[in-house]
Amino acid sequence: QKEVEQNSGPLSVPEGAIASLNCTYSDRGSQSFFWYRQYSGKSPELIMFIYSNGDKEDGRFTAQLNKASQYVSLLIRDSQPSDSATYLCAVNPRGSSNTGKLIFGQGTTLQVKP
Amino acid sequence: GAVVSQHPSWVICKSGTSVKIECRSLDFQATTMFWYRQFPKQSLMLMATSNEGSKATYEQGVEKDKFLINHASLTLSTLTVTSAHPEDSSFYICSASAGLNQPQHFGDGTRLSIL
Repeated sequence: QKEVEQNSGPLSVPEGAIASLNCTYSDRGSQSFFWYRQYSGKSPELIMFIYSNGDKEDGRFTAQLNKASQYVSLLIRDSQPSDSATYLCAVNPRGSSNTGKLIFGQGTTLQVKP
Repeated sequence: GAVVSQHPSWVICKSGTSVKIECRSLDFQATTMFWYRQFPKQSLMLMATSNEGSKATYEQGVEKDKFLINHASLTLSTLTVTSAHPEDSSFYICSASAGLNQPQHFGDGTRLSIL
């Protein structure tokens, strides 16, 4: 089992719709959870981070964390073509608490069609 | 805030050349910096973790004599690819973190092409 799993996609949604990106992780002691966006040929860009169970909203983005289910998601409301990118889920597992090392998922490719 | 600068953006050089890549945190002190490599259409691969004033910790399979990492200050880390060969051609990306459980902020990456 991979430590951080994402569906590679592509996930295709129409412009204006809600895009839902999902991620599961294997280390139950994981403490910090991050979502990054990576455009083709570019480096990752931090979108959101969440530490506690529940929802965290920032503009059109909402991160949701459920530690009991070892599940973290990212919702993008009013999706725009400019949101088309690969979204990387990253987890700071328990064993890495003294290094800050992140475990990345493979990424989900999102396509927002006009 | 949280800006990480990485230079150069791209390098083209001959086989056997050594190449140095710089990573700077511009507006925060980075207790830890990370170096990744990414091949086309593949995931980020962590190469090493470096803390200021300490030796870098390399991931399994990464040659420490090939990829020299120096983290001389809280705002600067360098990666030197020694005696580079065509198989070292890749997209190298650094990131910096202000502390434990803090987000990693990425530089823009360096595209290295070895002829």
